Amino acid sequence: EVQLVESGGGLVHPGGSLRLSCAASGFTFSNYWAVWVRQAPGKGLEWVASIKQDGSEKHYVDSVKGRFTISRDNAKNSLFLQMNSLRAEDTAVYYCARSLLAATCLWGQGTLVTVSS
Amino acid sequence: QSVLTQPPSASGTPGQRVTISCSGSSSNIGSNIVNWYQQLPGTAPKLLIYSSDQRPSGVPDRFSGSKSGTSASLAISGLQSEDEAHYHCAAWDGSLNAVVFGGGTKLTVL
Repeated sequence: EVQLVESGGGLVHPGGSLRLSCAASGFTFSNYWAVWVRQAPGKGLEWVASIKQDGSEKHYVDSVKGRFTISRDNAKNSLFLQMNSLRAEDTAVYYCARSLLAATCLWGQGTLVTVSS
Repeated sequence: QSVLTQPPSASGTPGQRVTISCSGSSSNIGSNIVNWYQQLPGTAPKLLIYSSDQRPSGVPDRFSGSKSGTSASLAISGLQSEDEAHYHCAAWDGSLNAVVFGGGTKLTVL
């Protein structure tokens, strides 16, 4: 089955760190750009970061630059998001997706990150 | 404040046609394609329209997309109760070097 499955979410204190993972299956993961998108409670979608097929190009939304790092391991069909210096405003459901702006767009089911003391 | 502007809500009765707008600028919708996503209650978004006006296989032809200048629209004809969902538009913004979304529109089927 073609799917993306996120994991690693949870409750973390402000200033803490968390690493999200996204496992791809059923397709050749290395062929696609991959992204992280988040959705704060009751809010719209916000693009967080993108990474090129070979990891050579990365882009971030300004609010996470210097705090979040996107990476991938094509040998393990996996996408990651290392989140440091977390803030309350980072609380959201985090989705991984492939080819966000293309016909081959596919979303995972999401993982909840809660930043609270 | 989202870069792309969508109405927060829309509604219609079964069988009606509704349209949801997505307004942007020359750096995003004006020069790039638009995707639309449907998010049913409690679920992840799903691709609904790509390249502004193309439907993925499996999406009913009741759903259609269009783009003109710096605005895009999603039209749903023959409205059904299962269409009740949030709808989001997105595009690449060449000035911000980022993917930008609209704030989402909650569609209610009355």
